[in-house]
Amino acid sequence: DTGVSQNPRHKITKRGQNVTFRCDPISEHNRLYWYRQTLGQGPEFLTYFQNEAQLEKSRLLSDRFSAERPKGSFSTLEIQRTEQGDSAMYLCASSFGQGGSDEQYFGPGTRLTVT
Amino acid sequence: AQRVTQPEKLLSVFKGAPVELKCNYSYSGSPELFWYVQYSRQRLQLLLRHISRESIKGFTADLNKGETSFHLKKPFAQEEDSAMYYCAHYNYGQNFVFGPGTRLSVLP
Repeated sequence: DTGVSQNPRHKITKRGQNVTFRCDPISEHNRLYWYRQTLGQGPEFLTYFQNEAQLEKSRLLSDRFSAERPKGSFSTLEIQRTEQGDSAMYLCASSFGQGGSDEQYFGPGTRLTVT
Repeated sequence: AQRVTQPEKLLSVFKGAPVELKCNYSYSGSPELFWYVQYSRQRLQLLLRHISRESIKGFTADLNKGETSFHLKKPFAQEEDSAMYYCAHYNYGQNFVFGPGTRLSVLP
């Protein structure tokens, strides 16, 4: 197991297009998180799953964003009708346990550029 | 809304000098505080958490509820400590809130 993986690593898209990112967590981890990080800022929480259930979504997450984690394994984050403001690094993290404060293991991120 | 502030965007120190990276949070309950670190071309990773009360790579951090601070300290900085450091706060039901980060540069 090489840790959390994310694909693609880079994505360039035109404004208005839809994009989908994938995250494969560490295999035994039951929690999976999505964050967005823009230049000069720390990661900003978007949503998280415990197994296949999406338990929380940030108020900042617009209706254009949707995330799934079928079967409690990998997860996908889709952004519809992308806007230039969506350009950011999208980070996925996973953890094991019942407490929300368990150590999170981060993936390398997917850098999205919307032109 | 809970916030985590890190007043310094960049902190430069010489090798062997003490270093302190500041972190303040806004929450009046019983928070859980963390320091995450990102070395060049590596992933974000946990450095330490306040509940463990441990020293990792010579770094320590003490939670001061009165000052709502969780500053990260190391008595003698090493060049390999150069990295981006993020303070993070977790509160049940609120999830993680990260600060904007401080870039530590340890000069030879």
